[in-house]
Amino acid sequence: EVHLVESGGGLVQPGGSLRLSCAASGFTFSSYWMHWVAQAPGKGLVWVSRISTDGRTTTYADSVKGRFTISRDNAKNTLLLQMNSLRAEDTAVYYCARDFDSPPAPGDAFDIWGQGTVVTVSS
Amino acid sequence: DIQMTQSPSSLSASVGDRVTITCRASQSISSSLNWYQQRPGKAPKLLIYGTSSLQGGVPSRFSGSGSGTDFTLTISSLQPEDFATYYCQQSYIPSPFSFGPGTKVDVK
Repeated sequence: EVHLVESGGGLVQPGGSLRLSCAASGFTFSSYWMHWVAQAPGKGLVWVSRISTDGRTTTYADSVKGRFTISRDNAKNTLLLQMNSLRAEDTAVYYCARDFDSPPAPGDAFDIWGQGTVVTVSS
Repeated sequence: DIQMTQSPSSLSASVGDRVTITCRASQSISSSLNWYQQRPGKAPKLLIYGTSSLQGGVPSRFSGSGSGTDFTLTISSLQPEDFATYYCQQSYIPSPFSFGPGTKVDVK
């Protein structure tokens, strides 16, 4: 069965750092582009970042550009999100999600989602 | 960036009702529109991609239509498990893959 399991969330002070992980199983991880999506408490979904199959192509939402870094370890079937200079407004559940087409194209969708990991930025 | 809006923001309905949710893009996105369902405390679930293609395992009471800037998600006969929040998403221009603000469907 296809699974994504996030970990690494927690409570961190403003200006601090956190590293999220997403463990993939049940599919050929290295064949899919992957994404991170955030959801602040009581709010909607916000796309954060995506990464290509080989990790060479990455894109970010303007709100996290320069502070967050997405990466992947295909040997370990793991997606990562390094979060630096965290702000209160980064407080959210962070989901990893699979892009169902490879290479991605207009009309793509996110077909597999993890259960999310909670990041709280507060002093 | 492409902005997505949804209407209504919430609606109350009964089991068996026909429910329609509208999504509008700030510019044409062709047919690159997806719908997700999110139950409380759960991860989003892909329902429909490419405006009208049903994701595997999704009941046929869900359907999507539209093109350009205006899209619709229809639930033909609402079931108890359908009470949830629904989000549209454009995937015509990536980065950002903008989502709509959501439509909450609750019990009348």
